[in-house]
Amino acid sequence: TQLLEQSPQFLSIQEGENLTVYCNSSSVFSSLQWYRQEPGEGPVLLVTVVTGGEVKKLKRLTFQFGDARKDSSLHITAAQPGDTGLYLCAGVTQGGSEKLVFGKGTKLTVNP
Amino acid sequence: DAGVTQSPTHLIKTRGQQVTLRCSPKSGHDTVSWYQQALGQGPQFIFQYYEEEERQRGNFPDRFSGHQFPNYSSELNVNALLLGDSALYLCASSFWDGLAVNEQFFGPGTRLTVL
Repeated sequence: TQLLEQSPQFLSIQEGENLTVYCNSSSVFSSLQWYRQEPGEGPVLLVTVVTGGEVKKLKRLTFQFGDARKDSSLHITAAQPGDTGLYLCAGVTQGGSEKLVFGKGTKLTVNP
Repeated sequence: DAGVTQSPTHLIKTRGQQVTLRCSPKSGHDTVSWYQQALGQGPQFIFQYYEEEERQRGNFPDRFSGHQFPNYSSELNVNALLLGDSALYLCASSFWDGLAVNEQFFGPGTRLTVL
């Protein structure tokens, strides 16, 4: 069974602080995705990382895929209250039709 | 262009009952996947439908079944409901380009409560 472990599970910080969320697995995935989910809504895709060692930036968010394609991190610079939400990493398995294997998520609260 | 829609939004059932959840995919999408998200957990893959057939299945019992219609919409059926089936059920749609399933777009989910 492929599992993705995210840490920390909960994170409460002040506006302007930096943070990093980690996503680790013992399995190799064809790619890894990061989603953000708000209460009452489905997850929304933020980024897909495909190549080992890949780094992608989305404004204040920086995503990195580990060299072995088993782990990833999400770093947010100068967090804002609008960044509050549940951040989920998902491994994409390749079997002719790709299914997503999600971690439990990191619930981020950014206080003004 | 409407995104993925799901109905109903909320549902309350009692143990032993049966439930049907519905999903309409995003325009142009032909693949529908269903996920179960228990409180405090990430979504878990239930199954995926393409061309009206179940193409892949996660680790869920046979009480969970589905269907895809010619217009690509889909239903998720759960029989003999258990308390542990209480969760947010998410539908995600995508399209198969012959090589791979592309980005999955999620609906807002159906919140099922089993009493």
